Amino acid sequence: AQSVTQLGSHVSVSEGALVLLRCNYSSSVPPYLFWYVQYPNQGLQLLLKYTSAATLVKGINGFEAEFKKSETSFHLTKPSAHMSDAAEYFCAVTTTGTASKLTFGTGTRLQVTL
Amino acid sequence: NAGVTQTPKFRVLKTGQSMTLLCAQDMNHEYMYWYRQDPGMGLRLIHYSVGEGTTAKGEVPDGYNVSRLKKQNFLLGLESAAPSQTSVYFCASGPYNEQFFGPGTRLTVL
Repeated sequence: AQSVTQLGSHVSVSEGALVLLRCNYSSSVPPYLFWYVQYPNQGLQLLLKYTSAATLVKGINGFEAEFKKSETSFHLTKPSAHMSDAAEYFCAVTTTGTASKLTFGTGTRLQVTL
Repeated sequence: NAGVTQTPKFRVLKTGQSMTLLCAQDMNHEYMYWYRQDPGMGLRLIHYSVGEGTTAKGEVPDGYNVSRLKKQNFLLGLESAAPSQTSVYFCASGPYNEQFFGPGTRLTVL
């Protein structure tokens, strides 16, 4: 079985500050991990993904995430927040042999203040 | 290339009514999925399909049925809608390394 835990349902940062959104996963086999972003009243857009290549993954809009097997984590970071980053962020996991079914975390809403 | 499209975008039903949500993809994907999104619960998988003519249950399948008669289409049906099915429904398609999501259908059941 696979699962994802996102710590913090709401995170607030100042514009220009570091963004850190936390994701921990549980999987009995090597996982594939994803971060999706959802802007208000829109669908989900893929930010970045880890599929067993480099452990430091760079995505769109300046975001990156590092896969740490020893910590079972895949935290999302951005050095400097922008107002346009305000959205909800979802971490998700899948594994081989599961028909690529994604298991999502409960999401973290990022607020960016002036 | 439209990607993944969903119809309708919004719908209001009364308890007991039925409806079908349509998902279409033009990327020739084998795998397609239906999720529901509820506040504080993320997205949960309702049903999925690994190819034309095949469907399988996900995490929350009760009260829903699906069909995949054509590779590009995946239909989600509610036979007798209940208020607990008020949600935003997302369709997705794609392989393990990237799923593409549709814009969603916001369904309210009164």
